[in-house]
Amino acid sequence: DIVLTQTPVSLSVTPGQPASISCKSSQSLRHYDGTTHLYWYLQRPGRSPQLLIYEVSSRFSGVPDRFSGGGSGTEFTLKISRVEAEDVGIYYCMQSIHVPWTFGQGTKVEIK
Amino acid sequence: EVQLVESGGALLQPGKSLRLSCAASGFKFDDFSMHWVRQPPGKALEWVSGLLPTSAASAYADSVKGRFTISRDNANNFLHLDMLSLRPDDTAIYYCVKTGHTGFFFEFWGPGTLVTVSS
Repeated sequence: DIVLTQTPVSLSVTPGQPASISCKSSQSLRHYDGTTHLYWYLQRPGRSPQLLIYEVSSRFSGVPDRFSGGGSGTEFTLKISRVEAEDVGIYYCMQSIHVPWTFGQGTKVEIK
Repeated sequence: EVQLVESGGALLQPGKSLRLSCAASGFKFDDFSMHWVRQPPGKALEWVSGLLPTSAASAYADSVKGRFTISRDNANNFLHLDMLSLRPDDTAIYYCVKTGHTGFFFEFWGPGTLVTVSS
């Protein structure tokens, strides 16, 4: 199984400051067709997860442009340019290039 | 508006069986792969099972293979998960999830239904 390792485990951020989350994969997530199957989700407290970023760097519909994704192969990053109060929650990366699809263990973001 | 509503969650003893259902609306159900993802209390997300639009192929996590069966009713827009021989470590919120246009990501999640397995 592909293991996704997220760092840090938790993050406390002052509103308006940037934040960055790393996701490292045990195998390359690049498909032979050139697509890289790495996705980012946010689970706000008490809510279902929601898609933020698909295929490494594409923002899903309605996601603010303060969220950006990057990386390639086995190393990926989610960045929030200026954290807002509504960004609180647990962020998960996920891969879907190989079954079983797997998630990282999550990064909890809190506001200072 | 896309809606996914899970039902069937319950408190039951180890070894028992349960069927979860997911009512889908707001999109052309038979155009999309559907999945189940679970989340044990206070823990991370875990993919459970997925099914192609035509039911031609399915996949399962090793932890549920041979005990869980995913199925769909495209005529009535339902996704099901039949769970046999339940164990305490199956305790989780179970989410019904719709994939996106490529079939490789989870575009929309239901609110979830809680399954608790305990003696």
